[in-house]
Amino acid sequence: GEDVEQSLFLSVREGDSSVINCTYTDSSSTYLYWYKQEPGAGLQLLTYIFSNMDMKQDQRLTVLLNKKDKHLSLRIADTQTGDSAIYFCAERVNTGFQKLVFGTGTRLLVSP
Amino acid sequence: EAGVTQSPTHLIKTRGQQATLRCSPISGHTSVYWYQQALGLGLQFLLWYDEGEERNRGNFPPRFSGRQFPNYSSELNVNALELEDSALYLCASSLDRGREQFFGPGTRLTVL
Repeated sequence: GEDVEQSLFLSVREGDSSVINCTYTDSSSTYLYWYKQEPGAGLQLLTYIFSNMDMKQDQRLTVLLNKKDKHLSLRIADTQTGDSAIYFCAERVNTGFQKLVFGTGTRLLVSP
Repeated sequence: EAGVTQSPTHLIKTRGQQATLRCSPISGHTSVYWYQQALGLGLQFLLWYDEGEERNRGNFPPRFSGRQFPNYSSELNVNALELEDSALYLCASSLDRGREQFFGPGTRLTVL
């Protein structure tokens, strides 16, 4: 089945690292994504990882994938107040259909 | 490079009316996707168009329909509007069924 779960809320202090977690159920997922949504805006693609990879690093962002446990995480190093937003993980299931299945989103609040 | 654009930004309709939402993909992108972000329901896949054809649709009634034009822009039509259709409608595009979907800012539809 297709189900993606995330914790609802995370609060960190500026300069700390943030870790946002996600679990998914569809073992046929080929790509997993992290999107950012700021208030009143659309979704910004942050990064994605192919399902045969364990880790991907992109500047302050590190994605870890545990395919056995179907667990995905996004680590943001040196979190800034501008990182405050809702973060969605998503999986692309069954490449023939191209749709993304999104998690519920994690609201990240960064305090000074 | 211009991103995905959507119009209008906001749309207010009354129950029973029809709504038309428009999307222009990133130049060169041939696939267009529509998603609904409703309060409490998260982001849900609506429709996928590629090369002018509907390729996949989500679990939505037939009164949600659309089309893709020869220039790859797309229209989403919602007939017989219901109160629960109030949501942010997001359009995304990708290059040739590619792995990256880039989102526009959305159209906020309010049904009174």
